[in-house]
Amino acid sequence: GAVVSQHPSWVICKSGTSVKIECRSLDFQATTMFWYRQFPKQSLMLMATSNEGSKATYEQGVEKDKFLINHASLTLSTLTVTSAHPEDSSFYICSGRGGENQPQHFGDGTRLSIL
Amino acid sequence: SQQGEEDPQALSIQEGENATMNCSYKTSINNLQWYRQNSGRGLVHLILIRSNEREKHSGRLRVTLDTSKKSSSLLITASRAADTASYFCATPWGNQFYFGTGTSLTVIP
Repeated sequence: GAVVSQHPSWVICKSGTSVKIECRSLDFQATTMFWYRQFPKQSLMLMATSNEGSKATYEQGVEKDKFLINHASLTLSTLTVTSAHPEDSSFYICSGRGGENQPQHFGDGTRLSIL
Repeated sequence: SQQGEEDPQALSIQEGENATMNCSYKTSINNLQWYRQNSGRGLVHLILIRSNEREKHSGRLRVTLDTSKKSSSLLITASRAADTASYFCATPWGNQFYFGTGTSLTVIP
């Protein structure tokens, strides 16, 4: 099946640091990529949706200046958590989709721990 | 919010038994998808059922969709310990994609 590679898988850093997470579709072109945040034992909460070459659409309550999303190519999207603080600690998951009515293919997630 | 709800939230069964989980959603959809998540990992797509389909099979998985009730069910037959995971339904809404609250399934060997 389609593969999405997410990197890094685990990040531990100090408060105030900016962290970049990469999401790559390895064997398909992801016209749309999604970024989710997941708290322990909870469902995935959609943060933003990005189409290649366009600005990301952020969900209500998600600070676009805090969570910078870039989707410059059909195979790469990045999420940068700027000036991260302990409350930003979470599990972040990306996914890519080749077209409407197509399944999403997920990365393995990034566990972000801010000290 | 379009986020769906699933029940039960948690389910524990013996190996070999069948597991059924249900999902309800709020608005009209073109399709509904089921995903599986092992602890601390990303999600794996299991099955997609379109709005004009009522039932779909894939191996030991059986999915039903009732658009009049805005609900879907996932049945796993002859469960195995390796089926232990969280299961989520997901619905597209515009260009977004929303997940249900999830069912945590534990299959006891």
